[in-house]
Amino acid sequence: QSVLTQPPSVSGTPGQRVTISCSGSSSNIGSDYVYWYQQLPGTTPKLLIHTNDQRPSGVPDRFSGSKSGTSASLAISGLQSEDEADYYCASWDDNLKGLFGGGTKLTVL
Amino acid sequence: QLQLQESGPGLVKPSETLSLTCTVSGASISSTIYYWGWIRQPPGKGLEWIGSIYYSGSTYKHINPSLKSRVTLSVDTSKNQVSLIVSSVTAADTAVYYCASDPTASDGRYWYFDIWGRGTLVTVSS
Repeated sequence: QSVLTQPPSVSGTPGQRVTISCSGSSSNIGSDYVYWYQQLPGTTPKLLIHTNDQRPSGVPDRFSGSKSGTSASLAISGLQSEDEADYYCASWDDNLKGLFGGGTKLTVL
Repeated sequence: QLQLQESGPGLVKPSETLSLTCTVSGASISSTIYYWGWIRQPPGKGLEWIGSIYYSGSTYKHINPSLKSRVTLSVDTSKNQVSLIVSSVTAADTAVYYCASDPTASDGRYWYFDIWGRGTLVTVSS
């Protein structure tokens, strides 16, 4: 059971907007930044969002991150088939440890 | 262009020691910009941070408290490599082990990994 809680799965149809939630606590998300990673099937994780809502160079603006209190969300608009992947949130915890969420599998129907 | 490559045995016996190296190219292991991190992923499961190390004359390490008693991180500047040792392994240590760069060493407010190695699968079995 991960300290950062994500839904195991979400789904959407092409063109739709989907969101993935990440719930933490005051010792992690509540006091630190949130990061998001995308792991396409059979590949290495890729940094998708850093510092709550910043996209690294090359990440489409269809991907956006937000944070409020002890929770965060990743939104994907204009859903495409190639977005089908596992998504992980991450944050640093005041107990001196890095945390990853349990991951959310996005299925594009 | 920064690249990382993990290497090491793919099979380790229970109770023995797992040793992996990460060869860094495109940047010095002594860069003031980077922490070098290890993350693992059991088959079909999620990501777990193992620890991160920074070296620029002095060494700074952060290790996951749940693994701290069994994990050793080190650097070899002559080979531009980072090493991970996990002792007393069990089947629960079976995972793909990733080496990754954390470009936030100059600002302790951040923690993320921007470049990842391809990962190496380590199976613990007799």
